[in-house]
Amino acid sequence: QVQLQESGPGLVKPSQTLSLTCTISGASMGGGGSFWNWVRQRPGKGLEWIGHIFNRGNTFYSPSLNSRVTISMDSSKNQFFLKLISVDAADTAMYYCAKGIGDPHNYYQFGMDVWGQGTAVTVSS
Amino acid sequence: QSALTQPASVSGSPGQSVTISCTGTNGGIATFNLVSWYQQHPGRVPKLIIYEVIKRPSGVSDRFSGSKSGNTASLTISGLQPDDEADYFCCTYALSSPVIFGGGTKLTVL
Repeated sequence: QVQLQESGPGLVKPSQTLSLTCTISGASMGGGGSFWNWVRQRPGKGLEWIGHIFNRGNTFYSPSLNSRVTISMDSSKNQFFLKLISVDAADTAMYYCAKGIGDPHNYYQFGMDVWGQGTAVTVSS
Repeated sequence: QSALTQPASVSGSPGQSVTISCTGTNGGIATFNLVSWYQQHPGRVPKLIIYEVIKRPSGVSDRFSGSKSGNTASLTISGLQPDDEADYFCCTYALSSPVIFGGGTKLTVL
């Protein structure tokens, strides 16, 4: 049974960098058959896709966040990471990591079938 | 602003059926069979209930069904139950972004 767990600081100061880790258990990232996503949800708002990593390192990002976000992975630790620079109050949200199923060879993700519990991040001085 | 439009809210009585629409403006829904739907109860983690337009993950009730026509995808919930009351989000591939969510629809079971 695949499980995901987010970790990272719950409070980040404006203009600084938000860094989160997603630790995977019950599956190996090294197989290359899945997408590994970051999704966020601002308080009272809808889901917002941030980006994903797959095929041992290919990445796609949301156009609205592309200039500030980096997703990376460490297969040896079965972890992937989110880095969001120059944060402000609008980045305050619940951040989820999620496993995607699909066709990585053609870059098509069919859906996100396993989600972490989420980690709340507040941007405030 | 999402490029996928969902109604803000829908409602139905127990036992009835409701349909939630998801309309795209960039042809992604019409061109690709990559529509997925998520159910999220308040304070809970989103749950995948439909993927590839019509497929249900193991363990998801067959009361949930998906379809699409042109640029609009739909989620139909039949035999409404109180526990169906939740937010529902559509998601698809778009030429502008490989993953995009709709704004979400709040389902109220009357």
